[in-house]
Amino acid sequence: QVQLQESGPGLVKPSQTLSLTCTVSGGSISSGSYFWSWIRQPAGKGLEWIGRIYNSGSTSYSPSLQSRVTISVDTSNNQVSLKLSSVTAADTAVYYCARVVHRAFDIWGQGTMVTVSS
Amino acid sequence: QSVLTQPPSVSGAPGQRVTISCTGSSSNIGAGYDVNWYQQLPGTAPKLLIYGNSNRPSGVPDQFSGSRSATSASLAISGLQAEDEADYYCQSYDSSLYSYVFGTGTKVTVL
Repeated sequence: QVQLQESGPGLVKPSQTLSLTCTVSGGSISSGSYFWSWIRQPAGKGLEWIGRIYNSGSTSYSPSLQSRVTISVDTSNNQVSLKLSSVTAADTAVYYCARVVHRAFDIWGQGTMVTVSS
Repeated sequence: QSVLTQPPSVSGAPGQRVTISCTGSSSNIGAGYDVNWYQQLPGTAPKLLIYGNSNRPSGVPDQFSGSRSATSASLAISGLQAEDEADYYCQSYDSSLYSYVFGTGTKVTVL
């Protein structure tokens, strides 16, 4: 059974770069026709799609975050990474990674809370 | 900002049926893109509840059902139970934004 686990610093200073990793277990990132996405959720608010990547490295990002986001894949370690630059308090949220199949997010990680504060 | 609109809250007594609407536009639901629904229990990650407008993943009870029409979609929960109290989100794809988009979310309360 495929499982996803996010990890990374829980506190990031304003203007710095947020870096998170999603480790996939129970299956290979390289197998199957899946995309892998990052989604975030500020406390008490709704879900916001950040971007997605295919195992080939092909990416697509939310237009509102595109200038600051980089998503990459490390197939040897079965990981997907997120980098978000020039963060502000507005980037404080729970960050989830999720597997995408037929444009639906069918498996989610438990999420990791990131706070942007000095 | 969300491009799919849901009512902020719906409520019902145990055993009742409630429905949640998801209103989109011609660039997402109206363009024929599938609608998916997620259940988010307090303090947990969202869980896929309905995919492809009306299909249930393995393990999701048939008390949950989905439908799509024109530029909107609906999620129905029948036989409401206390454990169904959660936030529910619709999701689709928007061709003008080149993005996956989520609904504003609906909190379901069991009276």
